[in-house]
Amino acid sequence: QKEVEQNSGPLSVPEGAIASLNCTYSDRGSQSFFWYRQYSGKSPELIMFIYSNGDKEDGRFTAQLNKASQYVSLLIRDSQPSDSATYLCAPLGTSGGSYIPTFGRGTSLIVHP
Amino acid sequence: GAGVSQSPSNKVTEKGKDVELRCDPISGHTALYWYRQSLGQGLEFLIYFQGNSAPDKSGLPSDRFSAERTGGSVSTLTIQRTQQEDSAVYLCASSLGGGGGTEAFFGQGTRLTVV
Repeated sequence: QKEVEQNSGPLSVPEGAIASLNCTYSDRGSQSFFWYRQYSGKSPELIMFIYSNGDKEDGRFTAQLNKASQYVSLLIRDSQPSDSATYLCAPLGTSGGSYIPTFGRGTSLIVHP
Repeated sequence: GAGVSQSPSNKVTEKGKDVELRCDPISGHTALYWYRQSLGQGLEFLIYFQGNSAPDKSGLPSDRFSAERTGGSVSTLTIQRTQQEDSAVYLCASSLGGGGGTEAFFGQGTRLTVV
């Protein structure tokens, strides 16, 4: 059973602060890791992906991966109210030739002015 | 098309009826996924298609659920004898596929309500 664990939150941060979202996963065969943002009533949209251990930065977003600890995180700098959404972690597992993202339940982020 | 297209956007059906949900993936994407999301829950994997390979059906919750993908493009998810617990948003996603590291893009979903 592949499991992806995220703190459901809500995580509340003031505007301009750094939001830190964490995720642990059970499938050691996971090769790639995706972060999706989902606004209420909308479908998930991809915001970041990371393949290698370490940090990857894209604008205000930084993804961090530690495969040995089976841990991936997303940092959002200079948080804005428009960042308020649920953030879904999705490791891409491989099983018998299938490449299937397994989603956590997501962390709800609230950025208050 | 520019993105993944799903139809209908909303579907209300009576318990016991069959429903068909359609997904048109991004052109050129060989991988196609179906997920469902119940209110306040995460995304539950249902089925995965990759090119001409046999689909991975390991997520289908019962034999009332089935899916096809014709010509490596459009996919249809069929739910027979719908039950109230089938009410959810059904999401389709596609990716370039062919190996790890290719990100999946989602359609807008079909909200299914079984009454």
